[in-house]
Amino acid sequence: GAVVSQHPSWVICKSGTSVKIECRSLDFQATTMFWYRQFPKQSLMLMATSNEGSKATYEQGVEKDKFLINHASLTLSTLTVTSAHPEDSSFYICSARDLLSLKTSTDTQYFGPGTRLTVL
Amino acid sequence: GIQVEQSPPDLILQEGANSTLRCNFSDSVNNLQWFHQNPWGQLINLFYIPSGTKQNGRLSATTVATERYSLLYISSSQTTDSGVYFCAVKTSYDKVIFGPGTSLSVIP
Repeated sequence: GAVVSQHPSWVICKSGTSVKIECRSLDFQATTMFWYRQFPKQSLMLMATSNEGSKATYEQGVEKDKFLINHASLTLSTLTVTSAHPEDSSFYICSARDLLSLKTSTDTQYFGPGTRLTVL
Repeated sequence: GIQVEQSPPDLILQEGANSTLRCNFSDSVNNLQWFHQNPWGQLINLFYIPSGTKQNGRLSATTVATERYSLLYISSSQTTDSGVYFCAVKTSYDKVIFGPGTSLSVIP
């Protein structure tokens, strides 16, 4: 149980194009999903918190108009990198909080396998 | 904001050796998790441990919340243990902050 998928697993695109990454919780409902970015040999940095049915909350320094987040259902959040540039190349990871775990003491986040974006 | 530190940053072990990884955090936290990131980038949840001690096979973890640190013990290390180990803390603002990680290489 508690599986999170991401699609695509990797993508290569030209500079100036937009790329959409999907994050799905496969066997649980998630009112909250998180998007992280990880540059090579660095830690995960939280970009934004995605709440189902409401606007995402972005971390300081993250451009909300460049990284569009939509959380339309309890099992799907999408991140769209608009007008991507080479400096946006990174490993993007989502996580989902199990709604059921909020009612227990665990409140665990489950992470997707990540999407590697390369912008040429 | 809360600061999370991990030590050592890099560690090389001979297969079969034991090791201890440390995570320090600067403020009280609501929970703490240890993750292993494999060479393909997948994060694997090892422990959810806001306090106390847990064990799972060759791995165990201890969090002393009052002193703001957590330890991850790896015993009888194997080459498959290689990768990066992260601790991540959840703050009162409901955010999860990752530490910088410990890169572990286990050599045969």
